[in-house]
Amino acid sequence: LAKTTQPISMDSYEGQEVNITCSHNNIATNDYITWYQQFPSQGPRFIIQGYKTKVTNEVASLFIPADRKSSTLSLPRVSLSDTAVYYCLVGDGDTNAGKSTFGDGTTLTVKP
Amino acid sequence: SAVISQKPSRDICQRGTSLTIQCQVDSQVTMMFWYRQQPGQSLTLIATANQGSEATYESGFVIDKFPISRPNLTFSTLTVSNMSPEDSSIYLCSVWSSGGTDTQYFGPGTRLTVL
Repeated sequence: LAKTTQPISMDSYEGQEVNITCSHNNIATNDYITWYQQFPSQGPRFIIQGYKTKVTNEVASLFIPADRKSSTLSLPRVSLSDTAVYYCLVGDGDTNAGKSTFGDGTTLTVKP
Repeated sequence: SAVISQKPSRDICQRGTSLTIQCQVDSQVTMMFWYRQQPGQSLTLIATANQGSEATYESGFVIDKFPISRPNLTFSTLTVSNMSPEDSSIYLCSVWSSGGTDTQYFGPGTRLTVL
């Protein structure tokens, strides 16, 4: 499973856009990129998943360049409730379904 | 999506005792997993709970310490045996769901403190 590298922590203010970048230089052809959010005392929650280019849902956008060696999670206009740990995972859903390798994640702190 | 519940949500146990954690899913799923999250750390996969057969353990985890049952496609248990303070962690049940977006869903976790 491809190893991922993320910043350990980030600070932001309410109303700002936050971009968290994840490096995954060894991503395989069949791998998807998935981002999770974890609040204290809760299990991780799926945010968004993509394979290439751009994916957008009601919560976030995911930007993936053509070489797929990195990805950027974009959170528009964050609020205090977006303070959490964000994990980037890379894996092949068919052969490694569920065997997600979690990196250290990025602790996002949103300030008033 | 899948909704996962775990029991107990938290417990405080004495050294040398065992605790069984239950995981219930609201739909039948093929793949169920158990993770551990030590204080301030990321998640580590303990094992894959296989329905009708022995669980598959990751490196560093053994059946004698973490016996797992999977009697059907919606339920699993993880037992933490002969506990020591080093076992104090959050234990999370997870499932893989192929409906819509192929992804994992996690339970709320069981916070275990061993004294």
